[in-house]
Amino acid sequence: AQKITQTQPGMFVQEKEAVTLDCTYDTSDPSYGLFWYKQPSSGEMIFLIYQGSYDQQNATEGRYSLNFQKARKSANLVISASQLGDSAMYFCAMREFTPGANNLFFGTGTRLTVIP
Amino acid sequence: DVKVTQSSRYLVKRTGEKVFLECVQDMDHENMFWYRQDPGLGLRLIYFSYDVKMKEKGDIPEGYSVSREKKERFSLILESASTNQTSMYLCASWTQGFRDTEAFFGQGTRLTVV
Repeated sequence: AQKITQTQPGMFVQEKEAVTLDCTYDTSDPSYGLFWYKQPSSGEMIFLIYQGSYDQQNATEGRYSLNFQKARKSANLVISASQLGDSAMYFCAMREFTPGANNLFFGTGTRLTVIP
Repeated sequence: DVKVTQSSRYLVKRTGEKVFLECVQDMDHENMFWYRQDPGLGLRLIYFSYDVKMKEKGDIPEGYSVSREKKERFSLILESASTNQTSMYLCASWTQGFRDTEAFFGQGTRLTVV
């Protein structure tokens, strides 16, 4: 079974608008972390935001916020006031904190295109 | 400034060649990982290491091996390169014990096997 599911292969958004990138996850571990990474065309992976499974509040980092719905096992990324530089691939990832579990599971990614 | 460095950005090799991809991190991280990235498949784990001389298979280890002789260096080896190993390879590292520590990635190596 897929640990991380991103159902939107591609998304378009108008510059200055907000956009939501979907992510659902699957785990039976009560302790886990969720990450979002941005990958521009240059290829490097840039860490954007983190949400812990026990965090009471949704994470925010500047224009990025994470809409965490634990019961639904979803961790959607919201980008407000989109900029042209936001055009990139976006990956959702999860890490389980069970002792001995070291993997970071990735989704298949969403390609975001910001339209001027 | 923390850094994960991969030895090559672009690499072209012939079928059957032995290929070495090197990754070095300067953050004293215990955990190091090799991922392969293909369109529509996301990042898939090939091998990881949580200590010097330790290695664990990931989801797609076939055709690959790894070496970690020093804490800062993790090498991915393609024993006999094949065309289906043409891909983007990403090395990552992170520290143990801090739950919200993100993984740091190298710049990636685009390998083409002809």
